[in-house]
Amino acid sequence: NAGVMQNPRHLVRRRGQEARLRCSPMKGHSHVYWYRQLPEEGLKFMVYLQKENIIDESGMPKERFSAEFPKEGPSILRIQQVVRGDSAAYFCASSPKQETAFFGQGTRLTVV
Amino acid sequence: KQEVTQIPAALSVPEGENLVLNCSFTDSAIYNLQWFRQDPGKGLTSLLLIQSSQREQTSGRLNASLDKSSGRSTLYIAASQPGDSATYLCAVINAGNNRKLIWGLGTSLAVNP
Repeated sequence: NAGVMQNPRHLVRRRGQEARLRCSPMKGHSHVYWYRQLPEEGLKFMVYLQKENIIDESGMPKERFSAEFPKEGPSILRIQQVVRGDSAAYFCASSPKQETAFFGQGTRLTVV
Repeated sequence: KQEVTQIPAALSVPEGENLVLNCSFTDSAIYNLQWFRQDPGKGLTSLLLIQSSQREQTSGRLNASLDKSSGRSTLYIAASQPGDSATYLCAVINAGNNRKLIWGLGTSLAVNP
């Protein structure tokens, strides 16, 4: 059973472009969490999704950010019109139910 | 609002020392508490998970304790090794419907040979 897979591991985008971050949960896991780690800051919760549903998006910036977890395929965190302040490590975690979550290796986004 | 604080922010010790990392949280109504390790530029590795009903968990040279009523947890590392050098993160899950983690800023540990 492969672990949580995130890709790409590193992503470079110019200001104004779109960034799409993918997270494939572990097999059988229907709960996905996204967290962001800004430079010199702690990890912050962004969004919690179950298959086809957003359960809690209280940590998502109100504009430019969106997330989905379709019935088939990976969860996607989408950032439109990226700015330098979006540069961070984005971590995804999955769990089979609301219990211990397993983390991916993260995607490091750099906006230039 | 739950807040998690870790002390010290950084720690440098010689190899072989036993050490204690501290974590405190403001709301005692937690579901569980976890300790993670993060190496520079790497992902997150779960070290120990303590359910709210438990007092401690052990794994090898690591021991984590939980005092929910006082809002404190400690991570004890015995006989530290250079390979233990990393950032150690404490995170809690509040009791409630959504099991999202609330994180401390971490303790950056350097174990010197």
